[in-house]
Amino acid sequence: GDSVTQMEGPVTLSEEAFLTINCTYTATGYPSLFWYVQYPGEGLQLLLKATKADDKGSNKGFEATYRKETTSFHLEKGSVQVSDSAVYFCALGGGSNYKLTFGKGTLLTVNP
Amino acid sequence: DTAVSQTPKYLVTQMGNDKSIKCEQNLGHDTMYWYKQDSKKFLKIMFSYNNKELIINETVPNRFSPKSPDKAHLNLHINSLELGDSAVYFCASSQVFGVEQFFGPGTRLTVL
Repeated sequence: GDSVTQMEGPVTLSEEAFLTINCTYTATGYPSLFWYVQYPGEGLQLLLKATKADDKGSNKGFEATYRKETTSFHLEKGSVQVSDSAVYFCALGGGSNYKLTFGKGTLLTVNP
Repeated sequence: DTAVSQTPKYLVTQMGNDKSIKCEQNLGHDTMYWYKQDSKKFLKIMFSYNNKELIINETVPNRFSPKSPDKAHLNLHINSLELGDSAVYFCASSQVFGVEQFFGPGTRLTVL
């Protein structure tokens, strides 16, 4: 079945550091890929998405590129802020999959 | 205007009790979901409804019974609550399956 594997956390960075959170997937068909963010005490919000190979999703300085050849969708940000501290979830859906399949989440803490 | 709302936000109850969580979306979406998030932030789908019809039931104990009175509402009733039911429950909705989902703020259920 479909699955998503993302890097284990927690990840702790200093403000203005570069962020990468790795995500790889296994899927049949041609899924869409998503990054969701969950701030403390809140629900999940869509951060960015990509619907086909080589698409780049971007939002709030975060980027991720849909790489079919490596089945990856790594999240990057050039300079993190304290306000980016949250749990980040990689997910896939669509295609032959009638639901979103989530990774286990990565807790990011950014220190001033 | 809240897109996906849930009530209550917190629910503390004794083992063996029956409780309900309500969810409403004002986005005009056809599909609604219930997710359970455990203490390690792992997010697992429980149910999905499309146009009031149950589509996904992910091997959830039959103590959990979703009910969808109309497209905009998906309630979750839980009978005979157990300690292991303690978690945060999220409702979500989407236009169609497997694409961008919009999440509610969550209901933190604590079973004592």
